[in-house]
Amino acid sequence: EIVMTQSPATLSVSPGERATLSCRASQSVSSNLAWYQQKPGQAPRLLIYGASTRATGIPARFSGSGSGTEFTLTISSLQSEDFAVYYCQQYNNWTWTFGQGTKVEIK
Amino acid sequence: EVQLVESGGGLVKPGGSLRLSCAASGFTFSSYSMNWVRQAPGKGLEWVSSISSSSSYIYYADSVKGRFTISRDNAKNSLYLQMNSLRAEDTAVYYCARDLVGGNSGDYWGQGTLVTVSS
Repeated sequence: EIVMTQSPATLSVSPGERATLSCRASQSVSSNLAWYQQKPGQAPRLLIYGASTRATGIPARFSGSGSGTEFTLTISSLQSEDFAVYYCQQYNNWTWTFGQGTKVEIK
Repeated sequence: EVQLVESGGGLVKPGGSLRLSCAASGFTFSSYSMNWVRQAPGKGLEWVSSISSSSSYIYYADSVKGRFTISRDNAKNSLYLQMNSLRAEDTAVYYCARDLVGGNSGDYWGQGTLVTVSS
């Protein structure tokens, strides 16, 4: 089973600042990596798929990069609505595995 | 507008059974693979099961294999999850999610239905 590890667990950022979230896979997942945003009481929302492709309607301030085992989600200038929990997810042989999440909170 | 609406959650005793449903609308349901993903209270996301568009391919997480059964009825635009031999650790919000074509991820999610396993 591929294990996904996200860091940090919590990221304190001021509005307008850049946020950089990391996700590491225990073995290569190529570019089969997605990022989701989840706010309290809501379903996850797809932000990025294929490691770097923004999903429909996702603002350009969200960007993804990486391949193999190391991935990054960058939020270029945090808006108030961006404070949430972010999950990475890998796809391998029809199964998904999620990271444990990074909470982005207001500094 | 794509909509996924889960139902069927509730309180069940350990060892009991429950059947979840996910009603899909706003897209050609029969063309998409579908997934169930769960989230225990205060915890992260856990993939549960996937089913291909024609039900030819079905996969389960090890944690539910042999106890849960995923199925779909394309004529009714519905996805199901039959859950048997339920355990306390199955307590979670269960989401259905549409598989993004070529994207290997969930592009649309329902609002979730809560399953509580407790005596």
